Amino acid sequence: DAKTTQPPSMDCAEGRAANLPCNHSTISGNEYVYWYRQIHSQGPQYIIHGLKNNETNEMASLIITEDRKSSTLILPHATLRDTAVYYCIVSGGITGGGNKLTFGTGTQLKVEL
Amino acid sequence: NAGVTQTPKFQVLKTGQSMTLQCAQDMNHNSMYWYRQDPGMGLRLIYYSASEGTTDKGEVPNGYNVSRLNKREFSLRLESAAPSQTSVYFCASSEWGRGGFTDTQYFGPGTRLTVL
Repeated sequence: DAKTTQPPSMDCAEGRAANLPCNHSTISGNEYVYWYRQIHSQGPQYIIHGLKNNETNEMASLIITEDRKSSTLILPHATLRDTAVYYCIVSGGITGGGNKLTFGTGTQLKVEL
Repeated sequence: NAGVTQTPKFQVLKTGQSMTLQCAQDMNHNSMYWYRQDPGMGLRLIYYSASEGTTDKGEVPNGYNVSRLNKREFSLRLESAAPSQTSVYFCASSEWGRGGFTDTQYFGPGTRLTVL
């Protein structure tokens, strides 16, 4: 699976959009980009994933560049409860089922008043 | 739905003791996983079970064994605990997505294990 590079930390004002970047220059054609977050010491929470088109759900938007070498997770109106470590993961799944996720150290997002 | 449940929540062991961490999911998922997370680090995959009846090693399998008891339950066993296994252990499950590699994982709350 391709490796990803994320900034170690970012700050965001409450109510503003949080834009979290991720580089994955070695991504291959069948690999998806996943975003998870981990609030404090809880289990990671799935946010969104995409292959090459931009995606949006109730939590966030995912923008993937045309060459697929980088992506940006957008939290449109960040709140204090969005303070968490955000992980960008690239994975193509496992033949026969399942998906091995490789978590790096992620980006610590701090949302402040 | 309870989602993914793990027991116990906390455990303290002495070096050389054994124990089994339990994990169960009620989402009828095919795949289950065990991860560990050391302080300041991301999660690392220990073992996974792509489907009932199969198990495979992940990134850091040494010192652990697993059992996929049935579709719902996936246990992790430490036969002879070592201080290096002090960590937070997370179980996860997923359903193979339609049309390809789109399955997303749902995580339990974790077991905090300390080995003295």
